[in-house]
Amino acid sequence: EAEVAQSPRYKITEKSQAVAFWCDPISGHATLYWYRQILGQGPELLVQFQDESVVDDSQLPKDRFSAERLKGVDSTLKIQPAELGDSAMYLCASSFSSEQYFGPGTRLTVT
Amino acid sequence: ELKVEQNPLFLSMQEGKNYTIYCNYSTTSDRLYWYRQDPGKSLESLFVLLSNGAVKQEGRLMASLDTKARLSTLHITAAVHDLSATYFCAPQGSYQKVTFGIGTKLQVIP
Repeated sequence: EAEVAQSPRYKITEKSQAVAFWCDPISGHATLYWYRQILGQGPELLVQFQDESVVDDSQLPKDRFSAERLKGVDSTLKIQPAELGDSAMYLCASSFSSEQYFGPGTRLTVT
Repeated sequence: ELKVEQNPLFLSMQEGKNYTIYCNYSTTSDRLYWYRQDPGKSLESLFVLLSNGAVKQEGRLMASLDTKARLSTLHITAAVHDLSATYFCAPQGSYQKVTFGIGTKLQVIP
């Protein structure tokens, strides 16, 4: 069964450092999402891609976060510089029509 | 902006009992998802509700959607310990944007 892949699964970084996460969606899924989930809350959409184009990045803190999906397949989310408040689970999801399939997530801890 | 309210936020129940989780949302949405999340894990899709009056059942869980009332319910029948998890409802708004509730943490006590 096809799955969304994410790496790394866990990342510990010091504040002010740069960090990057990678996501490979299910083959054929044109829409890709990045979510941030703070402990005890629901996932919050950071950015949505349709193929290589950004559809929604209204909640992405653009002073420190960036996301790209250059060839419309896999995607990278970067944080530079990381802050203590960025500690969270970063989830990637993809969809073909509308139902979203989630990857295992990257647990980020900023010290 | 679509707002989602789930209640209760925490639910502790004994095995064998029935209970319902409620999900209210603020603006028009004709599609709603329910997800399950185990501690430290990702989200698992449970139900996709596509229209007003939709009802879906899987095992001890049954979900329904009333788009006119902007309400979805997740009913648990004869709870078992394996159902302990956090449950999220997520209505879909414009541009296929899905907004998640804060989640209902369910603990089933043996």
